Amino acid sequence: DAKTTQPTSMDCAEGRAANLPCNHSTISGNEYVYWYRQIHSQGPQYIIHGLKNNETNEMASLIITEDRKSSTLILPHATLRDTAVYYCIAPGPYSGGGADGLTFGKGTHLIIQP
Amino acid sequence: SAVISQKPSRDICQRGTSLTIQCQVDSQVTMMFWYRQQPGQSLTLIATANQGSEATYESGFVIDKFPISRPNLTFSTLTVSNMSPEDSSIYLCSVRDEVLEKLFFGSGTQLSVL
Repeated sequence: DAKTTQPTSMDCAEGRAANLPCNHSTISGNEYVYWYRQIHSQGPQYIIHGLKNNETNEMASLIITEDRKSSTLILPHATLRDTAVYYCIAPGPYSGGGADGLTFGKGTHLIIQP
Repeated sequence: SAVISQKPSRDICQRGTSLTIQCQVDSQVTMMFWYRQQPGQSLTLIATANQGSEATYESGFVIDKFPISRPNLTFSTLTVSNMSPEDSSIYLCSVRDEVLEKLFFGSGTQLSVL
């Protein structure tokens, strides 16, 4: 797994876009970038993942730099319910067998302010 | 997406006893994972459980302490044996969806050891 670096915490005003950065400078060419979040006392929830191209779904957008050394998760209109710890993960390619579970870092604690 | 049920959702146990946590998935999955989340910490992978083979444990985790069963493609158990207060954590079951290329998590088991 590539090492990822995220800010420990961030604040964002409700209704604004929340932009969460992640550095993954050691990522290899075939490693995806995954984002999960964990709302207090719940299991992690998948948000989005991507390889090279920018991705968008109903929850968020993922912007990956051309050199793939960093990415940004964008929550376009943050609500109070988006307050959570957000994890950026760059696992190795799933090869089957062995330990293919994701390795979680400390993540970013995003606090949405009313 | 896979729906994962974990039981119990929480328990308070006495030192020296054992607790078995159950994880039931609503679809057949090859790979299941067990994680531990100590208070205020990120998730740590305990082991990977594949049906029909011995579980693969991560460094720092051993089968005698955390025996795992995987009798079929929809069910697994994790036992926390001979518990001590240091075992107080949230234990989470996760499954890998190989089509969607992402992990789904149960809501976790909050364990407190007195």
